[in-house]
Amino acid sequence: SQQGEEDPQALSIQEGENATMNCSYKTSINNLQWYRQNSGRGLVHLILIRSNEREKHSGRLRVTLDTSKKSSSLLITASRAADTASYFCATASRGSGYSTLTFGKGTMLLVSP
Amino acid sequence: DADVTQTPRNRITKTGKRIMLECSQTKGHDRMYWYRQDPGLGLQLIYYSFDVKDINKGEISDGYSVSRQAQAKFSLSLESAIPNQTALYFCATSGSGQEETQYFGPGTRLLVL
Repeated sequence: SQQGEEDPQALSIQEGENATMNCSYKTSINNLQWYRQNSGRGLVHLILIRSNEREKHSGRLRVTLDTSKKSSSLLITASRAADTASYFCATASRGSGYSTLTFGKGTMLLVSP
Repeated sequence: DADVTQTPRNRITKTGKRIMLECSQTKGHDRMYWYRQDPGLGLQLIYYSFDVKDINKGEISDGYSVSRQAQAKFSLSLESAIPNQTALYFCATSGSGQEETQYFGPGTRLLVL
């Protein structure tokens, strides 16, 4: 079963707009990570946020974490056509001893020029 | 050169055949993982290994087996392939800490007829 569930399943925006994706999870976590996947390729790690952190930035990425609501959001600012990809959240949860990641189903982002 | 490589990249096989997917890494990581991805879905963990003598089942290990031949090599076998094993298979590696991110190979696209 998948721990994280992303919302929306698909998002279509214009270049220059911001894109927000959400992730909800079920159990206590050690950290939450976001990954990106270009069509049919391997996932690439974007950013990690620890359970005791509320917000983190990396370039045009901003991640928030609300452990009371068991949710996270990924914001991509000033999007570019090259940001077109699927984005997955992944949690390292207590149930696995924080030893493995559980991935959600992903949000497919399309950025049009 | 890629840090995590997978062979073959594409494979077509018939029901009942034995097939092996191979993964090699040059990152010096102890931990290695095998995932499968079905269209529109996230990644599901098949098996993982935290060192050469350690093998653990993931959430969908039935019908699969693995071999950790060396720190750098982790192979996935389908002893008797069936059509519902048609999927995209990814190998990943990570370091040994609690907040390690995973590094993915390019994937193997498998079609079982």
